[in-house]
Amino acid sequence: GQSLEQPSEVTAVEGAIVQINCTYQTSGFYGLSWYQQHDGGAPTFLSYNALDGLEETGRFSSFLSRSDSYGYLLLQELQMKDSASYFCAVKYNFNKFYFGSGTKLNVKP
Amino acid sequence: GAGVSQSPSNKVTEKGKDVELRCDPISGHTALYWYRQRLGQGLEFLIYFQGNSAPDKSGLPSDRFSAERTGESVSTLTIQRTQQEDSAVYLCASSHPAGGYNEQFFGPGTRLTVL
Repeated sequence: GQSLEQPSEVTAVEGAIVQINCTYQTSGFYGLSWYQQHDGGAPTFLSYNALDGLEETGRFSSFLSRSDSYGYLLLQELQMKDSASYFCAVKYNFNKFYFGSGTKLNVKP
Repeated sequence: GAGVSQSPSNKVTEKGKDVELRCDPISGHTALYWYRQRLGQGLEFLIYFQGNSAPDKSGLPSDRFSAERTGESVSTLTIQRTQQEDSAVYLCASSHPAGGYNEQFFGPGTRLTVL
């Protein structure tokens, strides 16, 4: 089976840096994705890591360690609009995805 | 270009009635997924279609749930004899072979309320 753990809620101040961790147990692992979802909205894709290391896309970076079954999403220069839920998802068995329960990020002024 | 569309956006039904939810994926996206999201929770995989292959139905919670897809286009998710625990947002996503299907594009969802 698949399992994912991520914190349920994180609070940070505007302009700060926040890291959202994700640990997983899965068989047939292909990669780790991150999605952002604003209240009432659809999830939107942020990143996908198949290989170990850090990938940067603007203010957002994502990291994967396959040996540790661990990844994280790093958000820099936090803005109020970053307040949302963030989901990690493992890609397994070629093309299936298992999503975590999500981390609610509260950005305060 | 057009994104993934879903209809209806909201559906209120009575317990025991059947409902049909529709998803129009992005043109050219051969993979299509249905997920269920209960309030404040993560996305629960329901079913996956890939081209003309047999669908992966391993996430369907009961035999009251079924889904079809016409070729590589429209998909419908049908819930028969709805129960109150079926109340949730049903999300559809599609992805393209370019990039290895790694990015899923989600529709706005159908919010289903079973009274």
